[in-house]
Amino acid sequence: ETGVTQTPRHLVMGMTNKKSLKCEQHLGHNAMYWYKQSAKKPLELMFVYNFKEQTENNSVPSRFSPECPNSSHLFLHLHTLQPEDSALYLCASSQAGGVLYGYTFGSGTRLTVV
Amino acid sequence: KQEVTQIPAALSVPEGENLVLNCSFTDSAIYNLQWFRQDPGKGLTSLLLIQSSQREQTSGRLNASLDKSSGRSTLYIAASQPGDSATYLCAAPREAAGNKLTFGGGTRVLVKP
Repeated sequence: ETGVTQTPRHLVMGMTNKKSLKCEQHLGHNAMYWYKQSAKKPLELMFVYNFKEQTENNSVPSRFSPECPNSSHLFLHLHTLQPEDSALYLCASSQAGGVLYGYTFGSGTRLTVV
Repeated sequence: KQEVTQIPAALSVPEGENLVLNCSFTDSAIYNLQWFRQDPGKGLTSLLLIQSSQREQTSGRLNASLDKSSGRSTLYIAASQPGDSATYLCAAPREAAGNKLTFGGGTRVLVKP
């Protein structure tokens, strides 16, 4: 593992389900991120948290609801998703206030909405 | 707004040949430039991080250069191996954008035995 752990690795859910993705980092970082990677598209930033506070919401639909209870944990709550939301969801962490030491990514959750 | 472009989108080479991957960015006021590797369906693994004050960074068979004035970075992989087959992405965070990364579309590399 890279220091950023994501669970589950794979998730299949129906459009009426509610599920959550979890991300945990043990690197002492204080910024955490959710990215979405769809087929044949560049990585898209979804949310940024600095010191547990959300500082960026990149026009993400409200059916995606992030939660950051502390600097080490990040969740993405999912409800009433659409098939086009099927993608690889990646969590990352870094030092806040800048990225002088770079980002560390998790292995991702492969989400399939049926 | 930062735009990052990676050319070519795909590359196929025979084993042993050197790889040259290109990354260009529109805003040269960057903190650094980071190269990642992504295996199919997996997360991103950081390969090299070049600070804005540096011109290059090396790790084993990998060497990355950075030319901020021209908005370019190049990743060289010497003596390629089939295990180097993956997608390679670059990211260049703008100083004005805080800690948000902007990624290129990636270069998909296939090294044939």
